Amino acid sequence: QQQVKQSPQSLIVQKGGISIINCAYENTAFDYFPWYQQFPGKGPALLIAIRPDVSEKKEGRFTISFNKSAKQFSLHIMDSQPGDSATYFCAALSQETYKYIFGTGTRLKVLA
Amino acid sequence: DAGVTQSPTHLIKTRGQQVTLRCSPISGHKSVSWYQQVLGQGPQFIFQYYEKEERGRGNFPDRFSARQFPNYSSELNVNALLLGDSALYLCASSWAGTGTEAFFGQGTRLTVV
Repeated sequence: QQQVKQSPQSLIVQKGGISIINCAYENTAFDYFPWYQQFPGKGPALLIAIRPDVSEKKEGRFTISFNKSAKQFSLHIMDSQPGDSATYFCAALSQETYKYIFGTGTRLKVLA
Repeated sequence: DAGVTQSPTHLIKTRGQQVTLRCSPISGHKSVSWYQQVLGQGPQFIFQYYEKEERGRGNFPDRFSARQFPNYSSELNVNALLLGDSALYLCASSWAGTGTEAFFGQGTRLTVV
């Protein structure tokens, strides 16, 4: 029940295309859902986050879509660029337990 | 503004040794969390501290311990190192006691030989 399932494991997108990464969770106590971007040898960088009372949040080229009833959320990267090539992690936080549960990661490659 | 800083960046230790990793949070952040990231996997929660008190602990053995100092910096200690402890150790800080909007440091790469 503590797992966050992330898919796909890897993704190849053409420059200018849309990258879509999906996550699903079971624990209804989760109440904060961030996405992190990680480059090799670096720590994860916070991209965008959403709370369950909102169905969509957009920041620049990054959009989170959230479906509370299905317990799913996704990251959309519009106009994907080669510089977006990185590993993306979804996460879920229960503010009762103070710990993030991370997905297994999606390795994104954007072809020039 | 400085982000979360961790030291050292790389470390090589021998099995059975002890190691101390250090973390300085973003100025104004009172919450510090520690995560272990094995290559190819997502970070796994180890500890969370807020206002110098332990608020959460993950499924790690008692060989792992941590503390937070009055200036909100933190140390992670690992005793009796095993080969399986080789990983990237990440520190995250947050202004919120609940841990939202957590910012990660660059990590400490620990290799146990």
